[in-house]
Amino acid sequence: DAKTTQPPSMDCAEGRAANLPCNHSTISGNEYVYWYRQIHSQGPQYIIHGLKNNETNEMASLIITEDRKSSTLILPHATLRDTAVYYCIVRVYNYGQNFVFGPGTRLSVLP
Amino acid sequence: DAGVIQSPRHEVTEMGQEVTLRCKPISGHDYLFWYRQTMMRGLELLIYFNNNVPIDDSGMPEDRFSAKMPNASFSTLKIQPSEPRDSAVYFCASSHSTTLRLAGVTGELFFGEGSRLTVL
Repeated sequence: DAKTTQPPSMDCAEGRAANLPCNHSTISGNEYVYWYRQIHSQGPQYIIHGLKNNETNEMASLIITEDRKSSTLILPHATLRDTAVYYCIVRVYNYGQNFVFGPGTRLSVLP
Repeated sequence: DAGVIQSPRHEVTEMGQEVTLRCKPISGHDYLFWYRQTMMRGLELLIYFNNNVPIDDSGMPEDRFSAKMPNASFSTLKIQPSEPRDSAVYFCASSHSTTLRLAGVTGELFFGEGSRLTVL
């Protein structure tokens, strides 16, 4: 699975959009980008995933660059409850079902 | 629909004692994972099962750790004997395999709330 690089921490004002970047310059054509988050003391929670097209669900939007070497997770209106560690994971879809979690980005939503 | 259920939520034990952590995956999921999380090492995959069969146990730290999945609805992670460095939060997760992208089934992992182990 391709490696990812994320900033260790970010701040965002409550009510504003939170844009979390992820670099995955060695991504292969059959690898998907997944995002999870972990709120303090809870298990990680799936947010969204995509291959090359932008994706949106009720939680967030995922923007993947045309060359697929980077992506951005967007929380359109961040709330205090979005404070968490966000993990970007790149892996082959449905292969082995294993997810390798890096250190992630610690997002702090400030009042 | 119940999620992944882990027990106990908290366990405090003394060095040398046996520890057994339990997990009930989501019904119908055919993959089960055990992860360990510490401040120093983050989230680490210990072992995972497919259809109750261990597929990859390369993350199991040493022989003191063992995991079993006797049936589709139950798994255990056992540490014997336990050591202070085993103190961590242990997460169980389950997933449903897909060969096609089915509506509402995306293959992501569903995690339990974790078992916080403290070995004194």
